[in-house]
Amino acid sequence: DAGVIQSPRHEVTEMGQEVTLRCKPISGHDYLFWYRQTMMRGLELLIYFNNNVPIDDSGMPEDRFSAKMPNASFSTLKIQPSEPRDSAVYFCASSLGGQTYEQYFGPGTRLTVT
Amino acid sequence: TQLLEQSPQFLSIQEGENLTVYCNSSSVFSSLQWYRQEPGEGPVLLVTVVTGGEVKKLKRLTFQFGDARKDSSLHITAAQPGDTGLYLCAGADYGNNRLAFGKGNQVVVIP
Repeated sequence: DAGVIQSPRHEVTEMGQEVTLRCKPISGHDYLFWYRQTMMRGLELLIYFNNNVPIDDSGMPEDRFSAKMPNASFSTLKIQPSEPRDSAVYFCASSLGGQTYEQYFGPGTRLTVT
Repeated sequence: TQLLEQSPQFLSIQEGENLTVYCNSSSVFSSLQWYRQEPGEGPVLLVTVVTGGEVKKLKRLTFQFGDARKDSSLHITAAQPGDTGLYLCAGADYGNNRLAFGKGNQVVVIP
């Protein structure tokens, strides 16, 4: 089975531009999570979905960030406008749920905003 | 917000040596997971511990969940260069599918 798929793997953009990150979760997984990882702050949860519905977006840093999950096999994280401090690695993860909450991560998108 | 503190942050050892890293919190978790992350990749799940006092072994890796379900340790026996990576612990709250991650233990095994 294919794991979690993310695209692009690398993104370099200029400040003020719109950035869209994409994720395809593992088929059959009900939960989808977006994380951001930096050296300073580690792995931070931005938002997560259950059955395509956003459950907790308290980790989304600002209104510049938005996430959608139009169907069970696709999600996007958009940053508009992007700023240099958004530079980080963004991970998508999916989970079956259940009592152990095990998550499966994609390879990540390394975002650099200049 | 549940905080997980991992120590030491960085550890460098020679191949063949043993090591132990720790994950501590003041919160109680329903389960705790350990992940390993290699450069340029996402975290990969190693193990989930559920019961207080539980010990799980994965080849040369031994994971223990504290009796009070607030802390955990990872012991590696006879470390190999392939064990190099960032080890992340993550705690699950009761009835909540989100995980709280620590910042990780960076382990480097020198050949």
